[in-house]
Amino acid sequence: KNEVEQSPQNLTAQEGEFITINCSYSVGISALHWLQQHPGGGIVSLFMLSSGKKKHGRLIATINIQEKHSSLHITASHPRDSAVYICAVGSSGDKLTFGTGTRLAVRP
Amino acid sequence: DAGVIQSPRHEVTEMGQEVTLRCKPISGHNSLFWYRQTMMRGLELLIYFNNNVPIDDSGMPEDRFSAKMPNASFSTLKIQPSEPRDSAVYFCASSKNRGQETQYFGPGTRLLVL
Repeated sequence: KNEVEQSPQNLTAQEGEFITINCSYSVGISALHWLQQHPGGGIVSLFMLSSGKKKHGRLIATINIQEKHSSLHITASHPRDSAVYICAVGSSGDKLTFGTGTRLAVRP
Repeated sequence: DAGVIQSPRHEVTEMGQEVTLRCKPISGHNSLFWYRQTMMRGLELLIYFNNNVPIDDSGMPEDRFSAKMPNASFSTLKIQPSEPRDSAVYFCASSKNRGQETQYFGPGTRLLVL
């Protein structure tokens, strides 16, 4: 069993829809990261959080430490949100363990 | 800031050849990470440095892989000899400090070993 599990693996949505991507982990962590990888391959860090909720524009990330679960929400989705979203957990020092990613396609 | 810089962006080589990937972290960042991404295994940490010192190289797949950081602004990842299974995208990332910090990724080097 992977230490970091994401669901769904693939997601197709219509423009404007509310999107939720889930991440569950099995180890104790010091922080959880959400990354975005665009079709061109570049990786951008969206959030790093260790408790509660963070919001940036139309993106919201939440984490429940007791349940070892995090969600990434996208409100009013847009085709430019199409990307692979990767959850990563940091459990010791600087190391990150990555989920396999959720491939999101937003149709106009 | 220019961000993390990697070179080359693309590399095609023949099995058995030496491959050297280069990374320049963001100025002022003390931690540097090398990752490999493949379709089968996703993103994996190979090695990371803090203040130019290797901290954890447990992700380096075998002795054919080596990494150095001779100064705060430059790191290399070398594969010698290369094999087709080394084909992947190699990312370098940097962060300001140790511990859980936002990591800034370079554009990656797409390596194809024939």
